[in-house]
Amino acid sequence: GQQVMQIPQYQHVQEGEDFTTYCNSSTTLSNIQWYKQRPGGHPVFLIQLVKSGEVKKQKRLTFQFGEAKKNSSLHITATQTTDVGTYFCAGPDRGSTLGRLYFGRGTQLTVWP
Amino acid sequence: DGGITQSPKYLFRKEGQNVTLSCEQNLNHDAMYWYRQDPGQGLRLIYYSQIVNDFQKGDIAEGYSVSREKKESFPLTVTSAQKNPTAFYLCASQRSGAGADTQYFGPGTRLTVL
Repeated sequence: GQQVMQIPQYQHVQEGEDFTTYCNSSTTLSNIQWYKQRPGGHPVFLIQLVKSGEVKKQKRLTFQFGEAKKNSSLHITATQTTDVGTYFCAGPDRGSTLGRLYFGRGTQLTVWP
Repeated sequence: DGGITQSPKYLFRKEGQNVTLSCEQNLNHDAMYWYRQDPGQGLRLIYYSQIVNDFQKGDIAEGYSVSREKKESFPLTVTSAQKNPTAFYLCASQRSGAGADTQYFGPGTRLTVL
């Protein structure tokens, strides 16, 4: 079945260092979405990428969608303690106008002050 | 205030008892979802519903049941047949069932079975 894989599972960085998480889909995606879950909280939508090769920025966060629309990345420049949490990518069900999202297992980011 | 509510936040039950988790949304969203989250496992889909009176099994539906009698409500019952029910349960809604829509999550219910 359709799968979305995400690496690494865990990342520990010193405050000020950069961070990147990678997402790969077993199928071509119509779009990819990114969510952030703070410790003890619930996932919150960050952004959606739709176009092949698309790059979007949110302050220190840069999101990319691959040319083949099968992979994506989230890069955080100069991490801060407020970036702590788990970052999930998610892609929709292939071949269906309706349906579920397939979530990656997430990358848990820890930032040491 | 628009949003998704889940209650209770923490729930304790004895082994062998059925328990129902509440999920209500006032966003006028058509689609609703239930996920289970265990440490290191990400989000696993239990059931989803794209329209009232209709729902589909997700990846781990065994031991769970749902109903969707109203657009606003999508309760999840964890039955005694679920072998390891202790987990964090998240409900989400989506404007339509279309894959381009984003999901909005409730605050979750942390279920502990003793």
